[in-house]
Amino acid sequence: QQQVKQSPQSLIVQKGGISIINCAYENTAFDYFPWYQQFPGKGPALLIAIRPDVSEKKEGRFTISFNKSAKQFSLHIMDSQPGDSATYFCAARFLGADGLTFGKGTHLIIQP
Amino acid sequence: DTGVSQDPRHKITKRGQNVTFRCDPISEHNRLYWYRQTLGQGPEFLTYFQNEAQLEKSRLLSDRFSAERPKGSFSTLEIQRTEQGDSAMYLCASGTGDWDGYTFGSGTRLTVV
Repeated sequence: QQQVKQSPQSLIVQKGGISIINCAYENTAFDYFPWYQQFPGKGPALLIAIRPDVSEKKEGRFTISFNKSAKQFSLHIMDSQPGDSATYFCAARFLGADGLTFGKGTHLIIQP
Repeated sequence: DTGVSQDPRHKITKRGQNVTFRCDPISEHNRLYWYRQTLGQGPEFLTYFQNEAQLEKSRLLSDRFSAERPKGSFSTLEIQRTEQGDSAMYLCASGTGDWDGYTFGSGTRLTVV
């Protein structure tokens, strides 16, 4: 049972544009929502994370928007650069648990 | 500090053989996690340790999978009687319980032929 649904599966954005990736979850017991970036041959690296008591968090060009009532959260990459081309995963953690539940990933390509 | 180290980076084995992977976490991290990632999917949580105690193992995929962290430092993941469906990337991560410090290694890619 997939508990975190991520879309789109792939995304092409022009350099300088805004990349938007969305995730939806079903279980209200999730209490922590990180986004990870993964390059080929590497492990995922934490980009930015949010807790459900906050509606938005910004770090540099990366912003998470969180809608608790809709059970959705999204990653926005402003001024997208070719170096941002990677696979992005949303994830969620159950309250009291320790492992993360990941989405299936979004393959992002930034065209120069 | 060189981050989370995994060995080997690649492993090719014949079906039915046993394989063991090693993970060396960041030295000050007391928590260690194992994940599996198949092609086109996100990582799937398998198990985790706090120091030498294995606190969650119900998510291990079958009784052919086992993990140890005998002295609370490095960890090993063993797969017995490998099957072709075990072919995947096996990722290790370490952390302190502070979620912003959860760091993944580059993984061990297993191919079962």
